[in-house]
Amino acid sequence: DAGITQSPRHKVTETGTPVTLRCHQTENHRYMYWYRQDPGHGLRLIHYSYGVKDTDKGEVSDGYSVSRSKTEDFLLTLESATSSQTSVYFCAISETDEQYFGPGTRLTVT
Amino acid sequence: KNQVEQSPQSLIILEGKNCTLQCNYTVSPFSNLRWYKQDTGRGPVSLTIMTFSENTKSNGRYTATLDADTKQSSLHITASQLSDSASYICAPGSNYKLTFGKGTLLTVNP
Repeated sequence: DAGITQSPRHKVTETGTPVTLRCHQTENHRYMYWYRQDPGHGLRLIHYSYGVKDTDKGEVSDGYSVSRSKTEDFLLTLESATSSQTSVYFCAISETDEQYFGPGTRLTVT
Repeated sequence: KNQVEQSPQSLIILEGKNCTLQCNYTVSPFSNLRWYKQDTGRGPVSLTIMTFSENTKSNGRYTATLDADTKQSSLHITASQLSDSASYICAPGSNYKLTFGKGTLLTVNP
């Protein structure tokens, strides 16, 4: 998985609670991304980062925030989790055109 | 609105046989198209990246074609192996702005 780790790998949480997912890379790539993958949909971009403290919204950013204080870490926060945010979340990194994906985090909101 | 249609949705073939997966897209901006392989429970792994000016690109037993005029791409798998069982995802776009298809689920049986 190209030096990308995601934590936690699995999480069950209750509606209304905040949740933070972490993506850590050892490749020193400039770009980092958060996607979600749901049945019946392709991967959808939530937020991305093009450098430390430089982030922008993707296609499905409502209800999510991100932070990148170091090159190697990109955090995704669900401010108040809802059942519609039950999904598998993938982090990806890139330096050029190639995107490398992490192993994913399965999040269940009950 | 960006759209990516992959066909078939699923496919079962016998080990050793060839198969071709299709991807039709309407995406803007467009500068390249990627094919990913995603094993169950894992993150996607890149198979090929083609720029709009490339017609064919190979990676071992995988050969991708691209017709940017008709907005169609295909992925041909030769001499399939059991390990080829996975979801194959088409993703056209530009740099970090990709639109992912829902994938074709390929099952290779002995």
